[in-house]
Amino acid sequence: EDQVTQSPEALRLQEGESSSLNCSYTVSGLRGLFWYRQDPGKGPEFLFTLYSAGEEKEKERLKATLTKKESFLHITAPKPEDSATYLCAVLLYGNKLVFGAGTILRVKS
Amino acid sequence: NAGVTQTPKFQVLKTGQSMTLQCAQDMNHNSMYWYRQDPGMGLRLIYYSASEGTTDKGEVPNGYNVSRLNKREFSLRLESAAPSQTSVYFCASSGVGGGYEQYFGPGTRLTVT
Repeated sequence: EDQVTQSPEALRLQEGESSSLNCSYTVSGLRGLFWYRQDPGKGPEFLFTLYSAGEEKEKERLKATLTKKESFLHITAPKPEDSATYLCAVLLYGNKLVFGAGTILRVKS
Repeated sequence: NAGVTQTPKFQVLKTGQSMTLQCAQDMNHNSMYWYRQDPGMGLRLIYYSASEGTTDKGEVPNGYNVSRLNKREFSLRLESAAPSQTSVYFCASSGVGGGYEQYFGPGTRLTVT
């Protein structure tokens, strides 16, 4: 069965305190991995796509990396506006996404 | 360019009532999807449409039906609502060529009493 696990479930950081979120997966036929940001009461907002092990993508304070078994979302010097739920999803054959349950990030000033 | 729009934003139903959730996209995407999101379970695929005229079941299709009305619109119908269908429903779309990322609407919060 295809599975995506995100850890930790919740993370509290002080402003400026860098950290990483993890997304591990056991799937057959991985075609890509996506990261999304979701604010309360809103739909997920696309952040990154990673297609192969070793690939990295950056956007402002966020950097996503991919290995054969997991992906990391590194947050450097976070600000309160980075507070959100971060979702990862794996793209399978047939263009279907399987989502993890998400990591709730709170950044305090 | 509105992206993906959904109506209604909120809905309360009694057990056994029916309703249709509407979704439209203006990005000329071929594929459209319906998900439900429940606390601690992540987003789960209900149905999807790879292209106009085709629909397929996802992970949790029981109790739902869909219609791909045209390339822009994809509706989700609950024929006889049950309390287990209380959830937040998201529509998404994706296009081939520019990438497989899916773009989501703002969601419909449905409560079945």
